[in-house]
Amino acid sequence: GNSVTQMEGPVTLSEEAFLTINCTYTATGYPSLFWYVQYPGEGLQLLLKATKADDKGSNKGFEATYRKETTSFHLEKGSVQVSDSAVYFCARYSSASKIIFGSGTRLSIRP
Amino acid sequence: DAGVIQSPRHEVTEMGQEVTLRCKPISGHNSLFWYRQTMMRGLELLIYFNNNVPIDDSGMPEDRFSAKMPNASFSTLKIQPSEPRDSAVYFCASSAGTADEPQHFGDGTRLSIL
Repeated sequence: GNSVTQMEGPVTLSEEAFLTINCTYTATGYPSLFWYVQYPGEGLQLLLKATKADDKGSNKGFEATYRKETTSFHLEKGSVQVSDSAVYFCARYSSASKIIFGSGTRLSIRP
Repeated sequence: DAGVIQSPRHEVTEMGQEVTLRCKPISGHNSLFWYRQTMMRGLELLIYFNNNVPIDDSGMPEDRFSAKMPNASFSTLKIQPSEPRDSAVYFCASSAGTADEPQHFGDGTRLSIL
């Protein structure tokens, strides 16, 4: 099928810890991949994207690499901050502008 | 630049009433999406439009829900009659419609049906 699977939350870390949120996808071909972030009371915002295999998307210290061999797009950050507490959604382009979202991973960072 | 604008931000009404949610997409975007988000079911795509034409409404939960896009700068999502189980946050998003282009979300309408 065509889907996006990401690790279930909640994920709780201490400030300055290393973050990984796993994401894998199924698709025919190599669709564009995205990470979105949703802060409390707001809509989803694009965090980063990668449009082809081996591309690395990065923004605000977050990174994700498009791995076609493992059909993965894991989100990483070397040192998280309290302000990174949010829900993170992995997503892939589908067709006719449609994007398929994962179920979201809630991240909480302790001071 | 103005983003996607949704109104109202909050709506509280009694069951049985008609509810109309509004969305203004980003100028120049030709695709528009309506989503519903709840704790139980997460983010669900309800319907989307390309060039003002509904493409896929398979996510609309039932006939009480309807959506229109009369022009490129405005869309509505209507619930009539509303029920308590419709309580959720409803998001509108728009995109330029290419494979690399992400969707841009509004801040949502938090709907509570009493």
